Amino acid sequence: NAGVTQTPKFQVLKTGQSMTLQCAQDMNHEYMSWYRQDPGMGLRLIHYSVGAGITDQGEVPNGYNVSRSTTEDFPLRLLSAAPSQTSVYFCASSRGTGPRYNEQFFGPGTRLTVL
Amino acid sequence: KNEVEQSPQNLTAQEGEFITINCSYSVGISALHWLQQHPGGGIVSLFMLSSGKKKHGRLIATINIQEKHSSLHITASHPRDSAVYICAVPPNFGNEKLTFGTGTRLTIIP
Repeated sequence: NAGVTQTPKFQVLKTGQSMTLQCAQDMNHEYMSWYRQDPGMGLRLIHYSVGAGITDQGEVPNGYNVSRSTTEDFPLRLLSAAPSQTSVYFCASSRGTGPRYNEQFFGPGTRLTVL
Repeated sequence: KNEVEQSPQNLTAQEGEFITINCSYSVGISALHWLQQHPGGGIVSLFMLSSGKKKHGRLIATINIQEKHSSLHITASHPRDSAVYICAVPPNFGNEKLTFGTGTRLTIIP
């Protein structure tokens, strides 16, 4: 199993550009999440999905869109990049929710710089 | 929102020392997570625990549900244990969206 994969690993954007961060998992997990990690702050939830076709907002959703058309893929779209979106982005998945199923599996991260 | 506090923020120790990292939270939960972030940035799940104690190799995690407190211990610490250790909790019972602590940066000196 490849686990959770993310592409690209690094990206530099100019203000106003759009892009999609890709995330895929091959563990048939229902629950997938996107987090951002900024210096001095804990990981913060951007958007999450509890299954194909179902998404919801997390703590910091503004400026980001997601969709979940398949169980495997959960792309994160930046609509119009801003310098405040410079961060490291992590995708994670788990079998489900609840204390028996919520072990988190993380992708390697995408380091995004917006100029 | 469940408030999560970790201590210490930074910890430097000699190889072989016994390490303790603490995590406190404000709202009752179903399970608490301990994660490890490697110097290269990758994040792995170490423990998910609802009560008592769990052990994996030299790592031990304990939780006191009544006091809303958990500890992560490392016995016979080694330089390869150098990493950031992160505690995460859900906002309340029945809701598994996680709130993460800011992490404890551990450095083990040979």
